[in-house]
Amino acid sequence: KQEVTQIPAALSVPEGENLVLNCSFTDSAIYNLQWFRQDPGKGLTSLLLIQSSQREQTSGRLNASLDKSSGRSTLYIAASQPGDSATYLCAVPSGGYQKVTFGTGTKLQVIP
Amino acid sequence: GAVVSQHPSRVICKSGTSVKIECRSLDFQATTMFWYRQFPKKSLMLMATSNEGSKATYEQGVEKDKFLINHASLTLSTLTVTSAHPEDSSFYICSAGQGNEQFFGPGTRLTVL
Repeated sequence: KQEVTQIPAALSVPEGENLVLNCSFTDSAIYNLQWFRQDPGKGLTSLLLIQSSQREQTSGRLNASLDKSSGRSTLYIAASQPGDSATYLCAVPSGGYQKVTFGTGTKLQVIP
Repeated sequence: GAVVSQHPSRVICKSGTSVKIECRSLDFQATTMFWYRQFPKKSLMLMATSNEGSKATYEQGVEKDKFLINHASLTLSTLTVTSAHPEDSSFYICSAGQGNEQFFGPGTRLTVL
């Protein structure tokens, strides 16, 4: 059974700081990994999708890396802004076509 | 990217009533959709896999008679919470896949009084 853990569970940083969110998974036989953002009381916003053949993906100030062999992914946020405050979730395929297991989430607060 | 919609976005109901939530893939067909549930301050947990034209597959611990799933067409899956109780209050979200990427609906917040 796929288990996905995110560290840290919560993070508070001053505006402008670069930061790294971590995601680890137990079953490395995945074909992709997604990072999502969830604002309080809201749905999911897809941030980045990394295919298993890729090592990283970039979108604006976000960079996600994937190391399948070690079962890890990181989400790097450069020059953080208060608008980045949200919960960040990683998700990996889990034991079947297209269904995913979500990580435990990292709640980020960027202080102005 | 592909778009998945959910309706309603928010519903409040009395205990004992049933509530139906719709999930639609707007610009693609999906033979399989998924329903997730999120408890307050927790991550999302898969409830069931909705299969077009056949019975849904439920995850361990999810009551199939409580959470009725119907996938009558390639673009629509419905989740009905039967005889809802306050403990069913939660955020429900569906997803559909296109290729090997999942697209999620905006979610439905259910509050049972």
